[in-house]
Amino acid sequence: DIQMTQSPSTLSASVGDRVTITCRASQSISSWLAWYQQKPGEAPNLLISDASNLESGVPSRFRGSGSGTEFTLTINSLQPDDFATYYCQHYNNHPYTFGQGTQLEMK
Amino acid sequence: EEQLVQSGGGLVQPGGSLTISCAASGFSLSHYWMSWVRQAPGKGLEWLGNIKADGSDKYYVESVRGRFTFSRDNAKNSLFLHMNSLRGEDTAVYFCAREFSTVSFISPWGQGTQVTVSS
Repeated sequence: DIQMTQSPSTLSASVGDRVTITCRASQSISSWLAWYQQKPGEAPNLLISDASNLESGVPSRFRGSGSGTEFTLTINSLQPDDFATYYCQHYNNHPYTFGQGTQLEMK
Repeated sequence: EEQLVQSGGGLVQPGGSLTISCAASGFSLSHYWMSWVRQAPGKGLEWLGNIKADGSDKYYVESVRGRFTFSRDNAKNSLFLHMNSLRGEDTAVYFCAREFSTVSFISPWGQGTQVTVSS
């Protein structure tokens, strides 16, 4: 099974900051990577697919990049609504696996 | 609007059984692979497996294989998760979710259903 490792586990930031979350795969997954945002008590929401494809309705301050084994999610000019937990997920093959999550908290 | 609405779940004793239902609206379930994902209290997301659009193929992760069964009724636009031999470590919120295509990202998700395994 492919292991997904996210870092950091927790990230403290302020409104207006730019933050970057990293996701590493234990083997190459090409660009078969998605990013999700989850708020407490809610289901995850898809932000980015195929490593860099922004989903419709997702603000342009979110950006995904990378391929192979290393990927990043960058959020420019943080807004209050962005404080949440973020997960990466590979879909290169079965089983899909998620990273352990990055909790983005307000400094 | 494309939506998945879940029902079922609840409190069950160890060794017991439970079924969660997932009803689709705004789209036809029959065109899509569907996934199940769970989240234990305070933990991350665990993908449990998926079921092909016509129900002819299913994948289960090791932690639930032989105990959980995925099924679907495309005529009723519904998906089911049947859980047997439940254990304390199965306590979690369970989500159904649609896959975009074969081996794919997941969206949208159901609202989640709490399953608590306790005596």
